[in-house]
Amino acid sequence: AQSVTQLDSHVSVSEGTPVLLRCNYSSSYSPSLFWYVQHPNKGLQLLLKYTSAATLVKGINGFEAEFKKSETSFHLTKPSAHMSDAAEYFCVGPNAGGTSYGKLTFGQGTILTVHP
Amino acid sequence: NAGVTQTPKFRVLKTGQSMTLLCAQDMNHEYMYWYRQDPGMGLRLIHYSVGEGTTAKGEVPDGYNVSRLKKQNFLLGLESAAPSQTSVYFCASRGQGSDTQYFGPGTRLTVL
Repeated sequence: AQSVTQLDSHVSVSEGTPVLLRCNYSSSYSPSLFWYVQHPNKGLQLLLKYTSAATLVKGINGFEAEFKKSETSFHLTKPSAHMSDAAEYFCVGPNAGGTSYGKLTFGQGTILTVHP
Repeated sequence: NAGVTQTPKFRVLKTGQSMTLLCAQDMNHEYMYWYRQDPGMGLRLIHYSVGEGTTAKGEVPDGYNVSRLKKQNFLLGLESAAPSQTSVYFCASRGQGSDTQYFGPGTRLTVL
């Protein structure tokens, strides 16, 4: 069965400092994994996705994530936080029911707060 | 290119009332999905469709019905609204051969 777990419900950083949002997955195979961002009162926007082509994935707005099979992790990072990064971030993987219909499993979400 | 749009953006219902949420996509996508988002629970799949005229249940289908009469539209119906259905509803679509879902802006529904 596939599931994703976001290890922090809230992360708070100062502007200009690094961001680390943690996600672990459980799967018997190398999955497709995604990070989505949701700004307040907005829809979800795809940040980046991993599909086994490369373990380090670069996304939009300076974010990147590294797929580590040995640690079953897919943590999201950014070297320097900006005020506009304040949002909720979701780690997403294929649904336990299989990938044939593209159903997804969402992590619980991590709210990122950026202080001036 | 509007992508995925949802109507309405906000709605307040009384218990027992019915309503329909409309999702439209202009990307010619085969797959469409309805999710609900509740605090601390991420998004949960209500129903989905793999093509025009077909629908299937997701994780939390009870109390909802859907229809996909046209490829570009996916309707979510609440026949008798309950306070437990207060949530933010998101529609998404995905093209054949792609694993990326594109989301609409959401509908915030309150049931009193």
